[in-house]
Amino acid sequence: GQNIDQPTEMTATEGAIVQINCTYQTSGFNGLFWYQQHAGEAPTFLSYNVLDGLEEKGRFSSFLSRSKGYSYLLLKELQMKDSASYLCAVLDSNYQLIWGAGTKLIIKP
Amino acid sequence: GAVVSQHPSWVICKSGTSVKIECRSLDFQATTMFWYRQFPKQSLMLMATSNEGSKATYEQGVEKDKFLINHASLTLSTLTVTSAHPEDSSFYICSARERESGELFFGEGSRLTVL
Repeated sequence: GQNIDQPTEMTATEGAIVQINCTYQTSGFNGLFWYQQHAGEAPTFLSYNVLDGLEEKGRFSSFLSRSKGYSYLLLKELQMKDSASYLCAVLDSNYQLIWGAGTKLIIKP
Repeated sequence: GAVVSQHPSWVICKSGTSVKIECRSLDFQATTMFWYRQFPKQSLMLMATSNEGSKATYEQGVEKDKFLINHASLTLSTLTVTSAHPEDSSFYICSARERESGELFFGEGSRLTVL
């Protein structure tokens, strides 16, 4: 079956760095997305990786290893507004998005 | 970036009535649109996938006669919740895949409350 695993909840301190991991087992792979979702709002796009390696975009970076079925989202210089859920999703061979359950990130002062 | 507009953002209706939610890709053509439902503190649940000009593909457990989806053009898909009941109250979100890049963009979501 298809499966996306990510931690349910993480806590970090303002100004620090946090890494949210995502492992996947899917039928085929056409890319991996990371989305941020604040409570009561729709998800917003953060990153899309289809090749191995690290993609940096400001304070956020996303890494992919296709051979390991693994990705992580790295958030630097954490701000209180980064408190949100972070969703990992994989595009499978049929171009269907398989979603993880999301990681709730709590930022403490 | 590309914009997906969802309307209405909020809707309150009486039990037994039908509600239509629109999802528009404003500056790109979307070959595929997805409809999700999200309960509080839970992840997105895919309801159906709609391709322009063809019938929607519903996920297991989603009643197609209850949740009518129409994808009449490359920029518009609609979700109609028929004979709504309080248990249909939820946050409905659409997303659209851009034709050329394949990238996925989300609408702002529509919060439905059925009294």
